[in-house]
Amino acid sequence: SQTIHQWPATLVQPVGSPLSLECTVEGTSNPNLYWYRQAAGRGLQLLFYSVGIGQISSEVPQNLSASRPQDRQFILSSKKLLLSDSGFYLCAWSFLYEQYFGPGTRLTVT
Amino acid sequence: AQTVTQSQPEMSVQEAETVTLSCTYDTSESNYYLFWYKQPPSRQMILVIRQEAYKQQNATENRFSVNFQKAAKSFSLKISDSQLGDTAMYFCAFMKPRYGGSQGNLIFGKGTKLSVKP
Repeated sequence: SQTIHQWPATLVQPVGSPLSLECTVEGTSNPNLYWYRQAAGRGLQLLFYSVGIGQISSEVPQNLSASRPQDRQFILSSKKLLLSDSGFYLCAWSFLYEQYFGPGTRLTVT
Repeated sequence: AQTVTQSQPEMSVQEAETVTLSCTYDTSESNYYLFWYKQPPSRQMILVIRQEAYKQQNATENRFSVNFQKAAKSFSLKISDSQLGDTAMYFCAFMKPRYGGSQGNLIFGKGTKLSVKP
């Protein structure tokens, strides 16, 4: 069966520091991968999606970036965090028209 | 652009009773998919049920069922025999297939917080 992992689970970072969040999927090959952000009390906002290695599409302009160095690995990065980057970050993979989410990373920027 | 609206920020229901969560959406597409996701306090997003727009029959998954009204652009979730474990945020989501295929991006509503009371 397929499983999706995210780490770290929780992160507290100062403003201006770099960021790297990692997502990996097991049990499937060449999945579509997604990064979402959920601000406090709100729904999910799609940030990036990837249909294959090195193929990244950005949905929202911001100081975040994404990379897909391996088939089942998706990384969310930032060179300098802003206060507004705080939130809950979820990675997802899709099978046909269904998306399945990882456990998420809670990021607090101080 | 597609939008999804959940007009009930919070709802509560007694254990074993039935509750219906509302969702409306706006789109000019004819082919799309609709979903309900559950987010319990652990914050893991869990797929509850899906509906294909081309299907007239309402989807059902155990105690969860939907009322899909395509003309009215309405997609409500009914939870029967509510259980304490149903306490969670519930999100309605819309997806338009991309490039004629089956995979696309989800557009979420802002959610409804459901509390099941003993």
